Amino acid sequence: GDSVTQMEGPVTLSEEAFLTINCTYTATGYPSLFWYVQYPGEGLQLLLKATKADDKGSNKGFEATYRKETTSFHLEKGSVQVSDSAVYFCALRATGTASKLTFGTGTRLQVTL
Amino acid sequence: EAQVTQNPRYLITVTGKKLTVTCSQNMNHEYMSWYRQDPGLGLRQIYYSMNVEVTDKGDVPEGYKVSRKEKRNFPLILESPSPNQTSLYFCASSAPGQGVVEQFFGPGTRLTVL
Repeated sequence: GDSVTQMEGPVTLSEEAFLTINCTYTATGYPSLFWYVQYPGEGLQLLLKATKADDKGSNKGFEATYRKETTSFHLEKGSVQVSDSAVYFCALRATGTASKLTFGTGTRLQVTL
Repeated sequence: EAQVTQNPRYLITVTGKKLTVTCSQNMNHEYMSWYRQDPGLGLRQIYYSMNVEVTDKGDVPEGYKVSRKEKRNFPLILESPSPNQTSLYFCASSAPGQGVVEQFFGPGTRLTVL
């Protein structure tokens, strides 16, 4: 079945450090890929998305590129801020599925001054 | 404001006492879904609904019921809650379509079953 694997957290970084959160997936066909962010005490918010190979999703300084050859969708940001502290979820929507999202386990990011 | 609302936000109950968590969206979305979030497991889908009176099981439906009598509402029902249903629950909605459709999530309901 479909699955998403994320790197284990927590990830602790100093402000202005470079961030990478790894995400790989298993799915048939050409899934759509998403990163969601969950700030403390809140629901999930869509951060960025990509729908086909080599697409790059970007938002708020975060980027992720849909790599079909490595089945990956790693999240990156060049300079993190304390306000980026949150849990980040990688997710996929498989081809032909009616809006169902399959999530990874989430990666907690803690940014310190 | 476009939003998904859930009530209650926090609930502590005892084993076997029936409860309902409500979910409502004001975006006229056809698709609605319930997830539970557990440490180390991410979010797992419980039930979903493609439209009024159309519901189907997700990955972890045991112990849960849903109904979709109106487009905007999608309540989650636990007929006889058990401690293993202690979790953080999220309702989500989206418009129909493939690919780029975004799901909008509610703020979550933290349920504790003693």
